[in-house]
Amino acid sequence: AIRMTQSPSSFSASTGDRVTITCRASQGISSYLAWYQQKPGKAPKLLIYAASTLQSGVPSRFSGSGSGTDFNLTISCLQSEDFATYYCQQYYSYPFTFGPGTKVDIK
Amino acid sequence: EVQLLESGGGLVQPGGSLRLSCAASGFTFSNYVMSWVRQAPGQGLEWVSGISGSGGSTYYVDSVKGRLTISRDNSKNTLYLQMNSLRAEDTAVYYCAKTRGDGPAAINYWGQGTLVTVSS
Repeated sequence: AIRMTQSPSSFSASTGDRVTITCRASQGISSYLAWYQQKPGKAPKLLIYAASTLQSGVPSRFSGSGSGTDFNLTISCLQSEDFATYYCQQYYSYPFTFGPGTKVDIK
Repeated sequence: EVQLLESGGGLVQPGGSLRLSCAASGFTFSNYVMSWVRQAPGQGLEWVSGISGSGGSTYYVDSVKGRLTISRDNSKNTLYLQMNSLRAEDTAVYYCAKTRGDGPAAINYWGQGTLVTVSS
């Protein structure tokens, strides 16, 4: 199975900050990567698919980049509603593994 | 509007069985790969199983192979997860999930989740 790692595991930020979360795959996955946002007690929400395509309805302050093994999720100007946990997921080969998550909380 | 409504969760003893169901509406069910994703209390997401639109192909994470079985009834727009020989480590919220297509794709819709607790 492909192993996904994320860094950092958690960090504190302020509203208005530009933040970047990194995801790394244990082998090349082309652009078969998605990013999800999850808030406590809620189901995850798709933000980005195909590494860099913004899901319909997701604010443009979210962006994704990368291919192969290294990927980034960037939030250009952090808003109060963005404090959450973020997961990457590869769907290049089964089982479709998730990263361990990155928790973004308020500084 | 896409809706995914899970049911069937609950408390079960180790070694026991449970069947989860997910009633889907708002899209052409047979056109999409469906998956089950779980989340243990306070933990991250774990993809568990997936099934092709026709039901002819199924996929599992190694830790559940031989114990959990995914299936679908396209005439009823319903996804299932038969869970046998349950272990404490299977305790989690189980989400039904729809992908963006009938092939490798991201998950664009999730159910609200159903809690499975394996404990004596």
